[in-house]
Amino acid sequence: EVQLVESGGGLVQSGGSLRLSCAASGFSFSGYWMTWVRQAPGKGLEWVASIKEDESAKHYVDSVKGRFTISRDNAKDTLFLQMSSLRAEDTALYYCARSLSAARISFDAWGQGTLVTVSS
Amino acid sequence: EIVLTQSPATLSLSPGERATLSCRASQGISSYLAWYQQKPGQAPRLLIYDASTRPAGLPARFSGSGSGTDFTLTISSLEPEDFAVYYCQQRLSWPITFGQGTRLEIK
Repeated sequence: EVQLVESGGGLVQSGGSLRLSCAASGFSFSGYWMTWVRQAPGKGLEWVASIKEDESAKHYVDSVKGRFTISRDNAKDTLFLQMSSLRAEDTALYYCARSLSAARISFDAWGQGTLVTVSS
Repeated sequence: EIVLTQSPATLSLSPGERATLSCRASQGISSYLAWYQQKPGQAPRLLIYDASTRPAGLPARFSGSGSGTDFTLTISSLEPEDFAVYYCQQRLSWPITFGQGTRLEIK
């Protein structure tokens, strides 16, 4: 069974940092693009960042460029999101998601999310 | 950035009725569109990818159509568990974008 389990969320002050993790199991993690998607309270889905299987390509939404870094450890089947200079508007539930394939950046498996709250 | 506009914002129907949800792209995206369902307190679930392909195990009452800029998600006969929020998503180009969602509610 494919499983994605996020952790690392919490309450942080504006300007602070957090590192989110996503532990994957039940599939060959190193063979998939992985992505972070967030959802502010009561709002819709927002793509945040994606990373290629071998980390040779990374993409970010403009609002987090220069502040967030996506990375992965294929030996440990884990995806990361390092977040710094956090702002109130980064408050959201952060999901990690698996892409269908390298050619299809649509998401067929999701974790349950980890909540990040940024206080101003 | 490709903007996806979903309509209507809210759709009120009864179980057994047919639901038609729309997603319009600000520029042509070929068939690079996916649909998701999200229930309260749950993660999104992939319903359709490449505009019309259902993942294995998805009920046949869900179908997708369209290409270019106009796409439709159809639920042929609503079941009680289908009342949720639905999002479309494009994968033609970065940044990946989602529509704002359509809430399907029980009439």
